[in-house]
Amino acid sequence: QSVLTQPPSVSGAPGQRVTISCTGNSSNIGAGTDVHWYQHLPGTAPKLLIYKNTNRPSGVPDRFSGSKSGASASLAISGLQAEDEGDYYCQSYDDSLIAVVFGGGTKLTVL
Amino acid sequence: EVQLLESGGGLVQPGGSLRLSCAASGFTFSSYAMRWVRQAPGKGLEWVSTISGGGATTYYAASVKGRFTVSRDNSKSTLYLQMNTLRAEDTAVYYCSKNSVTALNLGVADDSWGQGTLVTVSS
Repeated sequence: QSVLTQPPSVSGAPGQRVTISCTGNSSNIGAGTDVHWYQHLPGTAPKLLIYKNTNRPSGVPDRFSGSKSGASASLAISGLQAEDEGDYYCQSYDDSLIAVVFGGGTKLTVL
Repeated sequence: EVQLLESGGGLVQPGGSLRLSCAASGFTFSSYAMRWVRQAPGKGLEWVSTISGGGATTYYAASVKGRFTVSRDNSKSTLYLQMNTLRAEDTAVYYCSKNSVTALNLGVADDSWGQGTLVTVSS
């Protein structure tokens, strides 16, 4: 059972927009810690998509955006493309556990 | 270009030991904290350990504390994970990753990851 809760799967047609939620509690996201998002495509290394809630590293398309409110965060992907298919993880810090915590991951399927 | 290359994975019996290495290049290795993150078959990412740039400060997940030891050799730009008393539930692909900032902070993102090395614990 992951400390951060994500939906197991989401799907959308090419060109559509999907969102992936990440829900924590008062010891992690709700405590004001930053949320980061990673894309993990099959057979590749995880890739940083969003850092510090809303920021995109250079080279990440602006189709990817992040937001945070209270004890939750969201990743939005617009203009879905076939190559977006893979797993997405949120990550934060839990100051009660003194641990880096990940969400359970969300599998994105592009229909 | 940042490159991280893990090695040392393999098949080991329960109760056995293994040492993983992560060779880094393309950045000033000693300036950045590093992490080990693992992914068990069919499961999500799980943080294992973090070590500060100088190596003096370490953190561990509860699931590995007392069994795993993280270290680094900054002269060789190499990160290590010594894994002892291995259990079946330690079976996973182990990734090393680089913190995105130089100050030690468990809450920061990792901006570079290796391809991972597979550890299988089975008799």
